[in-house]
Amino acid sequence: QVQLVESGGALVKPGGSLRLSCAASGFRFSDYYMSWIRQAPGKGLESVSYMTSSGRDIYYADSVKGRFTISRDNAKNSLYLHMNSLTAEDTAVYFCAKGKGSYGSVPVDSWGQGTLVTVSS
Amino acid sequence: DIQMTQSPSTLSASVGGRVTITCRASENINVLLAWYQQKPGKAPKLLIYRASTLETGVPSRFSGSGSGTEFNFTISSLQPDDFATYYCQHYNRYSRTFGQGTKVDIK
Repeated sequence: QVQLVESGGALVKPGGSLRLSCAASGFRFSDYYMSWIRQAPGKGLESVSYMTSSGRDIYYADSVKGRFTISRDNAKNSLYLHMNSLTAEDTAVYFCAKGKGSYGSVPVDSWGQGTLVTVSS
Repeated sequence: DIQMTQSPSTLSASVGGRVTITCRASENINVLLAWYQQKPGKAPKLLIYRASTLETGVPSRFSGSGSGTEFNFTISSLQPDDFATYYCQHYNRYSRTFGQGTKVDIK
C-alpha cells in the first residue's frame, strides 16, 4: 500500500535553512503529483507547495514563495522541500502527500505521518 | 487567491445525529472541492472529492453536495469514530486553499 515517510524536521534558528525529505513506496511515484502541506501547532492546514509528476508545473503558497523550493527525484521515489530564511511562522508539522493523479486538478489522497519543524532562537 | 470560508468552526452533536458543514468559496470553483477528516495527532484522510464523489472505502453516511461557490458536507448518522475535525479544500492546477476547519465533538 502507499507509504510516505517524511524526515528532516528539526529545531532551527530564525533565518536558518532546512531540507525535508519524503520517501515514497507502494505506488508508481513518477505517475503522481506530490505535495507538501503544513499544520502549525493547534491550527489548520496550509498547502505549501506541489509539483506535477513530470516536475514541469510547480505551485507555492504566497507565504513561502521565494524561500522554499520543492523538488523530486523520480528515480529515488523521493520528494524534497528546501526551506530558507525560516521564521517562527514556519513552525509546523510538514506532511508529504500524494495526488490522485499527475496534475493538480485532483486532490491529495494519501499522507505521511508528518515531520516537525520548529523555528526558534 | 480563492478564499474558502467554512462554518461552523465547532459543532456539538450526538451519536446518531445528523451533521452538516458548509464551505463557501470566494469565487466559482466549479466542483473542485474535497473534504478531509483529521483526528488528533494524525494525518488527514480524504473523504470526498469533486464535491460529491466518495473516496473508495469511505462509509456512505458521509456525503457532499454543491457546486460553484457553496458546498455542504453531511454525516447522516454520526458514529463514535466520526468525532474529529473536518476541512474543505479547493484544489486546481494553480491554487489550493483549505477552509478553517470544523471540530465535531460530543454533545
